[in-house]
Amino acid sequence: DVKVTQSSRYLVKRTGEKVFLECVQDMDHENMFWYRQDPGLGLRLIYFSYDVKMKEKGDIPEGYSVSREKKERFSLILESASTNQTSMYLCASSLRRQGAYGYTFGSGTRLTVV
Amino acid sequence: GDSVTQMEGPVTLSEEAFLTINCTYTATGYPSLFWYVQYPGEGLQLLLKATKADDKGSNKGFEATYRKETTSFHLEKGSVQVSDSAVYFCALRTANQAGTALIFGKGTTLSVSS
Repeated sequence: DVKVTQSSRYLVKRTGEKVFLECVQDMDHENMFWYRQDPGLGLRLIYFSYDVKMKEKGDIPEGYSVSREKKERFSLILESASTNQTSMYLCASSLRRQGAYGYTFGSGTRLTVV
Repeated sequence: GDSVTQMEGPVTLSEEAFLTINCTYTATGYPSLFWYVQYPGEGLQLLLKATKADDKGSNKGFEATYRKETTSFHLEKGSVQVSDSAVYFCALRTANQAGTALIFGKGTTLSVSS
């Protein structure tokens, strides 16, 4: 089975800090994704990547950036954390771009910004 | 744009009751359809999928049929258990110019009591 591993289950950070959320997948998946999950809003796509060094903005990229230097690792960066970025962050990977391939999700990182 | 609409919860049932969670979609192409489940404190897991019209996805007693004529993918289970208590997400994926991120509904919380 494919595994997607997020480095932290829980994080507490201070306002203004630079925050790194790490995600690693152990298969040769091309696509990787970052979502945030908030009550009543469902999952919202922040950024995704089709391949190494490639990235695409999702629906809510403001205040975030990403890095994909190696195929297996996709990092989400909060440049200057704010309290409205308190959320559950979910990483996912997928074998192909289109159609029948679903995602494999990590367990999530619950980030609290104080 | 493409979208998914699922019934709002929470849905509260007694053990062994019949479950239906409605899901309808709007898509310009021919999407693949998915149901994901999220147990408390965890990431999302793929529950079942269907890739073309009239396909039926099934897993763990859950079923959903891809109905192109009604653009629906309703989730059903004949007899729910307490362990089915979770949040259920309907999703679609279709190729488009911007790539193919999964589009999720807002989720439906199911609570089953004994």
